[in-house]
Amino acid sequence: DTGVSQDPRHKITKRGQNVTFRCDPISEHNRLYWYRQTLGQGPEFLTYFQNEAQLEKSRLLSDRFSAERPKGSFSTLEIQRTEQGDSAMYLCASSLVDRADGYTFGSGTRLTVV
Amino acid sequence: AQSVTQLDSHVSVSEGTPVLLRCNYSSSYSPSLFWYVQHPNKGLQLLLKYTSAATLVKGINGFEAEFKKSETSFHLTKPSAHMSDAAEYFCVVSNTGNQFYFGTGTSLTVIP
Repeated sequence: DTGVSQDPRHKITKRGQNVTFRCDPISEHNRLYWYRQTLGQGPEFLTYFQNEAQLEKSRLLSDRFSAERPKGSFSTLEIQRTEQGDSAMYLCASSLVDRADGYTFGSGTRLTVV
Repeated sequence: AQSVTQLDSHVSVSEGTPVLLRCNYSSSYSPSLFWYVQHPNKGLQLLLKYTSAATLVKGINGFEAEFKKSETSFHLTKPSAHMSDAAEYFCVVSNTGNQFYFGTGTSLTVIP
């Protein structure tokens, strides 16, 4: 297992377009998390899944943001009608259901909205 | 509510000298505390974690941190800085494990 994979690494899109990012967690990890990191800030929690259930989504930034994990394996994060303020690094992490293990993070997808 | 304050946004040390990165936390319950490191264009890597066992926690690459409940602190230290330690460091607090609350980060520069 090579860890948490995110695709694409970089995405440049025009304002108003929709974008979708993919995250493949460590295979035995049943929790998957999405975070957003803007320049000069620490990562900010967006949402998380336990298996296929989305257990927390109130921190998603607006109704333009949605996430899915249909089969309890990979996850997608979609941003509709992108705005320049959406430009950031989007990080995915996975873990077992045990906070003591911490998270394993992917390298992130850097989104630039022009 | 949980939060983390990293007291220094930038720290600069000479190679071979000690490193101290300061972190204070706020938590309603017994927290789990972590330090993560982020090298440029790399993912966040776990350095060490505190989860209510020993208060002095040893991590990777010679780093360690001490949990001080009375001071609500979890400072990260290393006896001797190496050039490869130059990176961004994040202090993290979690109560439930469902959400991590990150500090704003401390950028460590190591001067040769």
